[in-house]
Amino acid sequence: SYELTQPLSVSVALGQTARITCEGNNIASKNVHWHQQRPGQAPVLVIYRDSNRPSGIPERISGSNSGNTATLTISRAQAGDEADYYCQVWDSGTGVFGGGTKLTVL
Amino acid sequence: EVQLVESGGGLVQPGGSLRLSCAASGFPFIVHSMNWVRQAPGKGLEWVSYISVSGGTIYYADFVKGRFTISRDNAKNTLYLQMNSLRAEDTAIYYCARETRDDAFDLWGQGTMVTVSS
Repeated sequence: SYELTQPLSVSVALGQTARITCEGNNIASKNVHWHQQRPGQAPVLVIYRDSNRPSGIPERISGSNSGNTATLTISRAQAGDEADYYCQVWDSGTGVFGGGTKLTVL
Repeated sequence: EVQLVESGGGLVQPGGSLRLSCAASGFPFIVHSMNWVRQAPGKGLEWVSYISVSGGTIYYADFVKGRFTISRDNAKNTLYLQMNSLRAEDTAIYYCARETRDDAFDLWGQGTMVTVSS
C-alpha cells in the first residue's frame, strides 16, 4: 500500500517561512492535497492538486510537488497558522493521508 | 448555508452496530462524490470509504471491508455509513467530506463521535 511520510512537528518564528514536507514514492505522479486542522475543529482544505488554493485561502500558503516530495509552504507565519497539517493523495481507489505535522509558531 | 452535518454517533459495545448519517445542504449533493474519514482520539486522519455520485462505484479501506457499508440517498441529500461488528479500534470521530472534481475534500462536516467500549 502507498505511504506518505510527514515530519511529526515543525516550528517557525512568527513572520518567517515554514515548510512542511510529504514524502511518497514518485509522489510527483499524483495530485497532492493539503488540509489544515486547528485544535478541536474539522479539517479545512488549504491546497488542492499540488499548488492550487481554494477560495479564501491566503496567497502566503502555497504548495509544490516534485520527485518524491510534496511541500506545503507557509510564508509570513502567523499565530493563527498553528495547526496540524495533513497531505493526502489517491492510490488505486484508496485515499491515503500522511501522518500529519504539528506546526508551532514561536 | 453550505454544510454537512453528521449524526448517529454514540457509545456501542464491541460487536455492535451503528448507522451514521451526513445531511448535506446548500449545494447540489447529487453532483458530488462523497467520503467518510475518521480520526481516533489524538491520532491523524484516516480515510474510510468513498461513494460516487450515483452510488455505482464504492471503495473501502481494508480495515473496514466486510464490516462497513457506505450508501447515499440523493433524493434526501444524505450520505450513510452502516457500521457492523464494531471493534474498540473503530473508536473515532467520523467525518463526512465532499469531493471535488479535482478529487480533493473541499467541505467537511463537524464530525460525530463513535465510541466502542464495554
